[in-house]
Amino acid sequence: QSALTQPASVSGSPGQSITISCTGTSSDVGGYNYVSWYQQHPGKAPKLMVYDVSDRPSGVSNRFSGSKSGNTASLTISGLQAEDEADYYCFSYSSINTRVFGGGTKLTVL
Amino acid sequence: QVQLVESGGGVVQPGTSLRLSCAASGFTFRSYGMHWVRQAPGKGLEWVTTISYDGSDKSYADAVQGRFTISRDDSKNTLYLQMNTLRTEDTAVYYCAKRGTSGSHKHLDYWGQGTPVIVSS
Repeated sequence: QSALTQPASVSGSPGQSITISCTGTSSDVGGYNYVSWYQQHPGKAPKLMVYDVSDRPSGVSNRFSGSKSGNTASLTISGLQAEDEADYYCFSYSSINTRVFGGGTKLTVL
Repeated sequence: QVQLVESGGGVVQPGTSLRLSCAASGFTFRSYGMHWVRQAPGKGLEWVTTISYDGSDKSYADAVQGRFTISRDDSKNTLYLQMNTLRTEDTAVYYCAKRGTSGSHKHLDYWGQGTPVIVSS
């Protein structure tokens, strides 16, 4: 149950697009279309942003989109806004009915 | 609206036990699998355990296997986490989370605000 690999930090200017990667193995990210992404502001509970690789819950902006290729999933945020500054975590179903998070990525909006 | 409220956290010594509770409301609790997730101070999220809607299927992270037990009482709409033989590395905020409603259900669509557990001598 090793954590999925995410970049520690990414940054972008308002209006720009950024992409956060999440790399696992064929036993988790690559084996299932069950990757989800969570946004967490300091001191707050995580919030679901994308599920099943690319689906968005109602109420989440369409500026957030997800994709997957092989063992790597990605979250893209377009039209960056100041309120997007937060930590982002990927999460995947894994074999034997376990789950695993990524290490987290700190997004800074310059 | 969905609400998840954790309780039971506190400061305990290594080797002791603690039971966390998560009171659920705003949805049909007995129909949904539930999870516990923790976050050590300044660190990332770590999945801890999950229980199926009917309690028949449970899974645990390697770090807690054999020490922690997840359970549920549908008559009280409450999820529990029994934590035994606590270690300093178990220090974290513990969140309960509800299994997703849409698609594969393999995600967490609602989270509580968390309860802190500090294991220290």
